[in-house]
Order: sequence, then C-alpha cells, then structure tokens
Amino acid sequence: TQLLEQSPQFLSIQEGENLTVYCNSSSVFSSLQWYRQEPGEGPVLLVTVVTGGEVKKLKRLTFQFGDARKDSSLHITAAQPGDTGLYLCAGPSRGGTYKYIFGTGTRLKVLA
Amino acid sequence: GAVVSQHPSWVICKSGTSVKIECRSLDFQATTMFWYRQFPKQSLMLMATSNEGSKATYEQGVEKDKFLINHASLTLSTLTVTSAHPEDSSFYICSARGGSFYNEQFFGPGTRLTVL
Repeated sequence: TQLLEQSPQFLSIQEGENLTVYCNSSSVFSSLQWYRQEPGEGPVLLVTVVTGGEVKKLKRLTFQFGDARKDSSLHITAAQPGDTGLYLCAGPSRGGTYKYIFGTGTRLKVLA
Repeated sequence: GAVVSQHPSWVICKSGTSVKIECRSLDFQATTMFWYRQFPKQSLMLMATSNEGSKATYEQGVEKDKFLINHASLTLSTLTVTSAHPEDSSFYICSARGGSFYNEQFFGPGTRLTVL
C-alpha cells in the first residue's frame, strides 16, 4: 500500500520565520505534487516534481524531490500570514488508474 | 492552469432527501474526474474515480448506492448523495484530469453539504 506521511502535522510560526514540511513514503513515486488549501476551498496546485533530485522554486517556496523519488520537501522562506493553510503532497497511484495518493497534510499558521 | 467548477458551493437539506453536486471542467476535456470527501482539519479521502462514458470505480467502504456518480460528458460529472443523513454532512471536492493535463489533476472549489 502506498502511503504518504507528512510532518509536521501542525505548525504555528511567527511571520518572517523559515520552515520546512516533509512528505515521506517507503514507495517510489513517478512524480509528486504539492497543493495548498485554504478553509472552505479546494486545493490549489503549487508544483509538480518529476525528476529525482529536482529542485523547483516558486517565489519564497522551494520544493525538492528526493533522489530516490520516495520523499519531497517544501521549504518556505520568510513566511507570511498569506502562507497560512493546509499543505498537501500527492502522488499518482500505481496501476494506471490515474488515482492520486494524498499525504496526511500539514496545517500551517503564520502569525503576524 | 485548468479551471474546474463545482455547483452548488454549499447546500443545506433535510434528512432523507437527495442532493446532486455538479463538477465541470471549464477549459479542457476531463477524461477522468475524481470525487473526494474531506472531514474538518483532515486530508482528502478519495471516494470514487469516474471515467467519461463508463461506470465509476468506488473506493473500499464507499457505498455506490448511496453516492451515485455519473460522468456523461467530457466536461461534467455529477455526484448524487441519495437519502442523505446527518453523517453525510461533509466537504465534497471534485478534481479532473485530461487533455494536455493528463499528468496532473485540478480541483474544484468544493461543496459544503449540511444535512439537518
């Protein structure tokens, strides 16, 4: 069974601090996606990482895909209150069904 | 990116009634749509996978007679919660993939269902 475990589960930090969210699995994924979800809304795709070792940057967000494609991290530099939300990693399930496995989620709160 | 809409955004109904939720891909043809359920402060739970023109595939533990899914066209899938009860109250989200977005899925804004 493919599982994606995220850590930490909850994170409350002050504006301006840096943070890293981890997404780990014992399974290899062909790609991983990161989403941010705000209360009462659907998840919004932030990035897709495909190649082992790949690093992608989106303004203050840096995403990395592990060399073995079993894990990924999201680093936020100088967090702002607008970064508050639920961060989810997700990866395609094996078997050609196009289903996605979602991580357990990390709830981030950035205090002004 | 692709745009997916859901309607209604929220609905309140009485116990025993049926509720239909629509999911539309606005600017691409969605060969596959997914329906998720999300409980407060939790991650998404996949309910079913819907391919255009064929029967939906339900995840283990999801009652197919309770949650009817129809994917009659490449831009529309519907989820009908039949004989709704208070325990069906939840946030329902659809996502879609297809066309040039075959490797990604894009989510609708969700539908908040409250059953009284």
